[in-house]
Amino acid sequence: DTEVTQTPKHLVMGMTNKKSLKCEQHMGHRAMYWYKQKAKKPPELMFVYSYEKLSINESVPSRFSPECPNSSLLNLHLHALQPEDSALYLCASSVGGTAGNTIYFGEGSWLTVV
Amino acid sequence: EDQVTQSPEALRLQEGESSSLNCSYTVSGLRGLFWYRQDPGKGPEFLFTLYSAGEEKEKERLKATLTKKESFLHITAPKPEDSATYLCAVQPNTGNQFYFGTGTSLTVIP
Repeated sequence: DTEVTQTPKHLVMGMTNKKSLKCEQHMGHRAMYWYKQKAKKPPELMFVYSYEKLSINESVPSRFSPECPNSSLLNLHLHALQPEDSALYLCASSVGGTAGNTIYFGEGSWLTVV
Repeated sequence: EDQVTQSPEALRLQEGESSSLNCSYTVSGLRGLFWYRQDPGKGPEFLFTLYSAGEEKEKERLKATLTKKESFLHITAPKPEDSATYLCAVQPNTGNQFYFGTGTSLTVIP
């Protein structure tokens, strides 16, 4: 079983709604990631937090807003999304720092924008 | 430019028919190469990490190998439960970025 926990597993939201995806890990990892994955495509990086600071933002639209309240938690706030934003949103974590380290994924949150 | 290419895109095998999946990469300096298995509708499940050319890792029917330009995932006597998409990712020496290939969809027929 994955040690990265994501909630909710499924979310349906309207284009005017505000919602959040949540992610939690208790492995002591200091790097956390948000990926977006469309059907039959590889995961696409959105954001990376390293030691609770945003280190990578892959030119993601501002309707996606990440937040890292502490080293164990990662949120993705969603507002005014478009139907094309419907996808599987994956949270992941890794040890962090300069060593080559494995990223571990959660089970994902399925988002449908109507 | 850092790049990862996986082949074939899809592979159908009879149960027991061994084969290999390929991951070719171009990266300025390799920190690590990672193999994942992904079942439909689920997050990628970690399989192996390889750090340097010549390294090999094994787990049940799977064996991953690494050279300076590519990695292979060898599947020996596969079973239907090995059916999944297998993803390869590389991490360059700089930063926390990971680059994923487009995956190989494996179907094992009983």
